[in-house]
Amino acid sequence: GIQVEQSPPDLILQEGANSTLRCNFSDSVNNLQWFHQNPWGQLINLFYIPSGTKQNGRLSATTVATERYSLLYISSSQTTDSGVYFCAVSNTGKLIFGQGTTLQVKP
Amino acid sequence: DGGITQSPKYLFRKEGQNVTLSCEQNLNHDAMYWYRQDPGQGLRLIYYSQIVNDFQKGDIAEGYSVSREKKESFPLTVTSAQKNPTAFYLCASSSGGTGNTIYFGEGSWLTVV
Repeated sequence: GIQVEQSPPDLILQEGANSTLRCNFSDSVNNLQWFHQNPWGQLINLFYIPSGTKQNGRLSATTVATERYSLLYISSSQTTDSGVYFCAVSNTGKLIFGQGTTLQVKP
Repeated sequence: DGGITQSPKYLFRKEGQNVTLSCEQNLNHDAMYWYRQDPGQGLRLIYYSQIVNDFQKGDIAEGYSVSREKKESFPLTVTSAQKNPTAFYLCASSSGGTGNTIYFGEGSWLTVV
């Protein structure tokens, strides 16, 4: 099956800093999504982005499908951005999740 | 409100007992999923269903069972055969197919005592 690797595993930022999270995957995919899991466990869908670039406020994502990676950019980070960010991919209808990047934004 | 409702939020179970976690969605989605999350880990797929009266095993189906008798409901039973059931369980749904956004419920915490 598809392997998904996320980096870095942990990230600590000061409020206002920018960051880039990476997701590598081992096979071609037709579905790639980024999620944010808040401290209460709720998973929020950030982007559906199997290819190309999207932006939503301070967040943006780029997927280069031919090179099998996706990047999530967080600009001007806020303490509410803290949590775990997951990348999930699929080419069969089953979403496979990476291990996540745990982000802590300090005030 | 539209969304996915999981219940109960917290559940304690004695060893040897079966327990059923409820998942209901009013999004008119065809596909539904159950994932398990252990502390500090990613999500692993237990079962998924792409249509009523049909479901498939995911990567860690042993010790679990599901049913899909109605489009809006996809309950998960954690049986006594599941050797390490303490975990966070997440239900999700999507419109179906391979290229659709998936949405999650708030999760259920199961602790075996």
